[in-house]
Amino acid sequence: SQQGEEDPQALSIQEGENATMNCSYKTSINNLQWYRQNSGRGLVHLILIRSNEREKHSGRLRVTLDTSKKSSSLLITASRAADTASYFCATHMKTSYDKVIFGPGTSLSVIP
Amino acid sequence: GAVVSQHPSWVICKSGTSVKIECRSLDFQATTMFWYRQFPKQSLMLMATSNEGSKATYEQGVEKDKFLINHASLTLSTLTVTSAHPEDSSFYICSARTDWVGNEQFFGPGTRLTVL
Repeated sequence: SQQGEEDPQALSIQEGENATMNCSYKTSINNLQWYRQNSGRGLVHLILIRSNEREKHSGRLRVTLDTSKKSSSLLITASRAADTASYFCATHMKTSYDKVIFGPGTSLSVIP
Repeated sequence: GAVVSQHPSWVICKSGTSVKIECRSLDFQATTMFWYRQFPKQSLMLMATSNEGSKATYEQGVEKDKFLINHASLTLSTLTVTSAHPEDSSFYICSARTDWVGNEQFFGPGTRLTVL
């Protein structure tokens, strides 16, 4: 089952522009993580943000978390062609089973 | 950083056969391991959660008799797809988590299963 939604489903931008992807979820979480996946490959962990944090940075990546709205955003600044990939948010749910659920993902295309 | 391996990385099998996929945490002890399935151009769907030494907890709609999970040690979990059929062809990804690294999951590289 999936507990979140991501938008947009697909995003196409020019190299050098910023890309913003949003993720919404339904239940309380311990943390939220963003991953990247190149076509046919495994997952690459980008950032983990805990429920008591509001913003985190890592290089060209900026993640925000609004627990009151149950939403998160991933901003990639100064995008590069190599950023072309699918991006997923994954929420660590506060349930007795302690599991992580992935959103449907955003497919990002950065045009050189 | 923490490393999770999967073996094999890809497998092709005939319909009706069983396939075992291994997931190992190489440099840490994984209290919990997760198995996901990903169809082309789709997201990862959680299949089951397993804790070392206990039975796996399967997600709704996942057949426990078809997808056998064994978490025999703190570094190894196996997924066996029994009597595989073409519709089981997918990308299977495991992840491992240990609480002392703040609940971050570490993912394996995935196993691509093709059932002919």
